[in-house]
Amino acid sequence: GAGVSQSPSNKVTEKGKDVELRCDPISGHTALYWYRQSLGQGLEFLIYFQGNSAPDKSGLPSDRFSAERTGGSVSTLTIQRTQQEDSAVYLCASSLAASSYNSPLHFGNGTRLTVT
Amino acid sequence: GNSVTQMEGPVTLSEEAFLTINCTYTATGYPSLFWYVQYPGEGLQLLLKATKADDKGSNKGFEATYRKETTSFHLEKGSVQVSDSAVYFCALSPHSGANSKLTFGKGITLSVRP
Repeated sequence: GAGVSQSPSNKVTEKGKDVELRCDPISGHTALYWYRQSLGQGLEFLIYFQGNSAPDKSGLPSDRFSAERTGGSVSTLTIQRTQQEDSAVYLCASSLAASSYNSPLHFGNGTRLTVT
Repeated sequence: GNSVTQMEGPVTLSEEAFLTINCTYTATGYPSLFWYVQYPGEGLQLLLKATKADDKGSNKGFEATYRKETTSFHLEKGSVQVSDSAVYFCALSPHSGANSKLTFGKGITLSVRP
């Protein structure tokens, strides 16, 4: 596909369960980002990858959140023991490089997570 | 730390009206500034950008000028169309020319009536 693909598009889970969110970036994009968008809030940075390494994990809200990227491509964001405050839209973006003026972020449509 | 403040929304305008969406920022050094737009049912996409003071970004009839003296990057369009209805996000990156760890504002919803 031509764009960033995220799956699932919607996820409803019970409090305490673990969830995995997947992101397929645009082919050839070395940088990958995860953001969270809560109701009435802006986009909250979670983590970004350059290749398979994560130089900046400072936005992960707790140790229940983790992310990995393999093969410089697909990334998964895992939330363990979900809480109701984790309910949000999780957005993934990719770019050709992490520090290039001519390398804008391309966003997926997001995964809407609802924790009941 | 870095932050972006956008005017409160939503904003509703009639077609062909003039649009201004305010954005101010707080940052150390010389950030790059961006406007992203999210059309209904689509992912965010870059609308325009500026990397240094007094630069003007423009695209699709929208303009924004990087004002260091007022730490602002207000978005303007002279005549809006129904197709401009979307959510608009102002954002900054902490280093000139870099876009790692973008800091976004809360976004503002624009609705344009025919």
